[in-house]
Amino acid sequence: EDKVVQSPLSLVVHEGDTVTLNCSYEVTNFRSLLWYKQEKKAPTFLFMLTSSGIEKKSGRLSSILDKKELFSILNITATQTGDSAIYLCAVENYNAGNMLTFGGGTRLMVKP
Amino acid sequence: GAVVSQHPSWVICKSGTSVKIECRSLDFQATTMFWYRQFPKQSLMLMATSNEGSKATYEQGVEKDKFLINHASLTLSTLTVTSAHPEDSSFYICRPSGGTDTQYFGPGTRLTVL
Repeated sequence: EDKVVQSPLSLVVHEGDTVTLNCSYEVTNFRSLLWYKQEKKAPTFLFMLTSSGIEKKSGRLSSILDKKELFSILNITATQTGDSAIYLCAVENYNAGNMLTFGGGTRLMVKP
Repeated sequence: GAVVSQHPSWVICKSGTSVKIECRSLDFQATTMFWYRQFPKQSLMLMATSNEGSKATYEQGVEKDKFLINHASLTLSTLTVTSAHPEDSSFYICRPSGGTDTQYFGPGTRLTVL
């Protein structure tokens, strides 16, 4: 059974801080790892990672995948209050028809 | 990114009524549709998976006769919550999948059953 574990469960930081969110996984036929941001609505897609060691970057957010150690990190630099959200990590199983297995999420709160 | 719409975005209904939620993939063909629900402060839970033109496959614990899924076309899938009860109040989200477009969720439908 595919499994995704995220840590920490929750995090409180102050504006300007840098945070690192962790995602470890077990999947039988890895296709991709995805990061989402969820506020009070449906998850918003952030990154899809398929190859090890290649950093994906979007503004203050970046992510990298390690397929050997089976984990990924999501970094947010110079955090802002608008970054407060739940960050979800999911893995896609190649043989499961694009099915995603989600971690429990990391709840990030950025204080002014 | 791909455009996915859901309708309605918010619905309140009386106990015992049925509610239909539509999910459309506006710029790609969704051969597969995933339906999720999310209760407050919980993660997404996959309810069912449907392939266009086929019957849906339901996850354990999800009643197929209560949550009717239709995926008759490559751009539209519907989820009907039949005889809704207050415990069905939740946030329902679709994720259409087709080719390389698999990562986008619909905006969600918040259902409140009184």
